[in-house]
Amino acid sequence: LAKTTQPISMDSYEGQEVNITCSHNNIATNDYITWYQQFPSQGPRFIIQGYKTKVTNEVASLFIPADRKSSTLSLPRVSLSDTAVYYCLVAEGNAGNMLTFGGGTRLMVKP
Amino acid sequence: NAGVTQTPKFQVLKTGQSMTLQCAQDMNHEYMSWYRQDPGMGLRLIHYSVGAGITDQGEVPNGYNVSRSTTEDFPLRLLSAAPSQTSVYFCASSTDRRTEAFFGQGTRLTVV
Repeated sequence: LAKTTQPISMDSYEGQEVNITCSHNNIATNDYITWYQQFPSQGPRFIIQGYKTKVTNEVASLFIPADRKSSTLSLPRVSLSDTAVYYCLVAEGNAGNMLTFGGGTRLMVKP
Repeated sequence: NAGVTQTPKFQVLKTGQSMTLQCAQDMNHEYMSWYRQDPGMGLRLIHYSVGAGITDQGEVPNGYNVSRSTTEDFPLRLLSAAPSQTSVYFCASSTDRRTEAFFGQGTRLTVV
C-alpha cells in the first residue's frame, strides 16, 4: 500500500507558527485528509479534516492544493503543550476500508 | 459518555498464553479497529470491522483474532502470545472510515 510521507521530526519555539507537510500521491478521488495528534501514553486525537482548499478550526488550519497530492497542517503560535506526534491520514484508492497511519512527525516545541 | 473503553490497561503474559483485550464503545459507531504501537513507532492496523458480523485483516493480522458480535464490542484475541507482541494496543471507533476516529487509552501488553 502506498503510504503518506511526512518529516520524521521538527523543532520549533513557543509562539511560532508550525507547518507540517504531508505527501499523499495516491489519494482516492473521494477521500478526505485527516490529521491526528498523539501525546505520549495516549491514543491519537483528531485535529482537523479537509477535502480541498483550506479548512480552519479553533486548533489548526489545513491547506490542500488543487491536485490534493499533499497537505499542510498549520499550528499557529505553538506552546510547549503542542509537543506531540502528528499523523496525516488518507485512504488509498486500493485500500478498501483500511485506515492506516504512517510514521508521523514528532514536533518538539522549545521554550 | 464514556467513548471508547479498553480493558485491561496493563497486562503481562507468559509466552504461549492467550488472552483477550476488550474494547467497547457507546457511540453507536459502525467502524472499529485495532492498532498496535511499538516504542517510537507509528500505529499499525491489526484488524478492523465495518459493522457487526463483519471483520477484515489489516496490515499485521498474524497472531490475532477478532470478532464483532455487537455494534458496541470489538475484542482482540491473542492466540499464543509471543515476545514480539509486546506493544501498546489501541482500539478506535468512528462512524465510518472517513470520519473522526475516537481512540481508547490503550492496553500496554508485555509478553515475557
